[in-house]
Amino acid sequence: AQSVAQPEDQVNVAEGNPLTVKCTYSVSGNPYLFWYVQYPNRGLQFLLKYITGDNLVKGSYGFEAEFNKSQTSFHLKKPSALVSDSALYFCAVRDRGYSTLTFGKGTMLLVSP
Amino acid sequence: DGGITQSPKYLFRKEGQNVTLSCEQNLNHDAMYWYRQDPGQGLRLIYYSQIVNDFQKGDIAEGYSVSREKKESFPLTVTSAQKNPTAFYLCASSTTQGGLNQPQHFGDGTRLSIL
Repeated sequence: AQSVAQPEDQVNVAEGNPLTVKCTYSVSGNPYLFWYVQYPNRGLQFLLKYITGDNLVKGSYGFEAEFNKSQTSFHLKKPSALVSDSALYFCAVRDRGYSTLTFGKGTMLLVSP
Repeated sequence: DGGITQSPKYLFRKEGQNVTLSCEQNLNHDAMYWYRQDPGQGLRLIYYSQIVNDFQKGDIAEGYSVSREKKESFPLTVTSAQKNPTAFYLCASSTTQGGLNQPQHFGDGTRLSIL
């Protein structure tokens, strides 16, 4: 079975500060990992993915994520948060034996001016 | 501009009524998906299709039906058997070229409510 957990319902950060949104996963094999962002009343937008190789993945809008196999984590990071980063963030995983993604419950990121 | 179009944006269902949500894509993607989004529950997979004329049940298929007669289209019917249909419904598609590690592209959703 494949599963993903986002332990924080909400993350608050001040503009200009670094941000981290946490994600941990469980798979039986090697994972494909994804981060998506959702703005109100919109669909999800792809930010970045980890397939294999370098543990630090760079994505859209200055976001990056670090794959840590020993901790089964794939935390989303950004060095300097913007108010416009405020949105709902989803982590997703696919075990290489599966054909579909499993999404986390989402983390609301609120960036204050 | 390529993308996924979902319609209508808002839909209201009466008791005992079936309703159909439209999803069209012009990305030439083979795979299409339907998700249901409820507050605090993330996205749950209803049905998916990796090729025309074939589809599989996801985690919460009961009370829903789909068809995939054309590559571009993957309509979802919410039947009267779905007793709690109020939710935000998202359609997605992805290419299968290069394997199943390709990102999914999402439409802007249909919000379904009960009258």
